[in-house]
Amino acid sequence: GQNIDQPTEMTATEGAIVQINCTYQTSGFNGLFWYQQHAGEAPTFLSYNVLDGLEEKGRFSSFLSRSKGYSYLLLKELQMKDSASYLCAVMDSNYQLIWGAGTKLIIKP
Amino acid sequence: DAEITQSPRHKITETGRQVTLACHQTWNHNNMFWYRQDLGHGLRLIHYSYGVHDTNKGEVSDGYSVSRSNTEDLPLTLESAASSQTSVYFCASSRVETGELFFGEGSRLTVL
Repeated sequence: GQNIDQPTEMTATEGAIVQINCTYQTSGFNGLFWYQQHAGEAPTFLSYNVLDGLEEKGRFSSFLSRSKGYSYLLLKELQMKDSASYLCAVMDSNYQLIWGAGTKLIIKP
Repeated sequence: DAEITQSPRHKITETGRQVTLACHQTWNHNNMFWYRQDLGHGLRLIHYSYGVHDTNKGEVSDGYSVSRSNTEDLPLTLESAASSQTSVYFCASSRVETGELFFGEGSRLTVL
């Protein structure tokens, strides 16, 4: 079966750095997405990785290792507005997105 | 600005009633999707369409149907609503080239 695993909840302090991990087992691989979802709102696109390595976009970075079936999202200089759920999704060989259940990130002052 | 809109945003209905959730996008995307989101689960795909008159079943399609008569709209119909269909429903569209999804604001459906 296809499976995406990510922690259910994480807590971090304002101004700090947090890493949210995602491991996957899918039928094929055509890229990995990270989305941010604030409570009561729609998911919004953060990043896309299809090759191994780190993609940096401002305070957010996303890393991929295809051989390990592993990705992480790194958030630096955390702000209160970063409190949200972070969704990992993998596009399989049929170009279908397989979604993790999401990681709820709580930022404390 | 291009956008994707859903209506209604909130709906309460009774078991057995037919319900239709509307989705309209002005991105001119060929690909459109319907997902449901429940606590403890990832987004689960209900139906999707890759173009006009094309519809496909997702992993949780039982009890739902869609039709695609034009590029802009993909309405989702619950033929006979059940309490298990109480959920938040998201419509999304994407460009074929990038796969990046653009989501509507969501429709919260309660079936009593």
